[in-house]
Amino acid sequence: EVQLVESGGGLVQPGTSLRLSCAASGFTFDDYTMHWVRQAPGKGLEWVSGINWNSGRIDYADSVKGRFTISRDNSKYSLYLEMNTLRVEDTALYYCARDEGAYCSGGGCYGAFDIWGQGTMVTVSS
Amino acid sequence: DIVMTQSPATLSVSPGERATLSCRASQSVSSNVAWYQQKPGQAPRLLIYGAFTRATGIPGRFSGSGSETEFTLTISSLQSEDFAVYYCQQYNNWPRTFGQGTKVDNK
Repeated sequence: EVQLVESGGGLVQPGTSLRLSCAASGFTFDDYTMHWVRQAPGKGLEWVSGINWNSGRIDYADSVKGRFTISRDNSKYSLYLEMNTLRVEDTALYYCARDEGAYCSGGGCYGAFDIWGQGTMVTVSS
Repeated sequence: DIVMTQSPATLSVSPGERATLSCRASQSVSSNVAWYQQKPGQAPRLLIYGAFTRATGIPGRFSGSGSETEFTLTISSLQSEDFAVYYCQQYNNWPRTFGQGTKVDNK
């Protein structure tokens, strides 16, 4: 079964750090670009960051640039999000998602997000 | 960044009726648009990619159309399980961006 399972969320104070993990199974992990998407309580979806198969292409939303770092370990079938200097507005359910990669451009293949995990909740509060 | 604007914010539809959801991109995104369905307490589910291709297992009552800047998701005959929030997303440019969502509720 194709599956993504996030972990690492929790309640933290503003200014602190947290590391999220996403464990993949049921597919060849290093064939795919991966993403983090978040959803604040009662709000819509916000793309956070994406990383291509070999970590050669990485992008961030402006709202997290300079504070968050995405990475992956293909040998462990795992995706990570290192979150530093957390703010109250970072409070959200964080999903990892697989990129189905049907559209090829600029040396990479990208697409819609076809597999999602169930999310891990991050709450930033004093 | 490309802004995706969905309309309406809420669509009230009776079961069996047709639902038409719109999404407009602030600049051309070719056909690199996806639609997702999200029910309360669940992760989003991919419905449509490439503007009009149904994802695996998605019923035929869901269809997508459009290109460049104007896109539409149509549910031909709404079923009770279709009441949910629907999001469009562009993947033509970085950063990826989502619309703010359209909630389809029971009239």
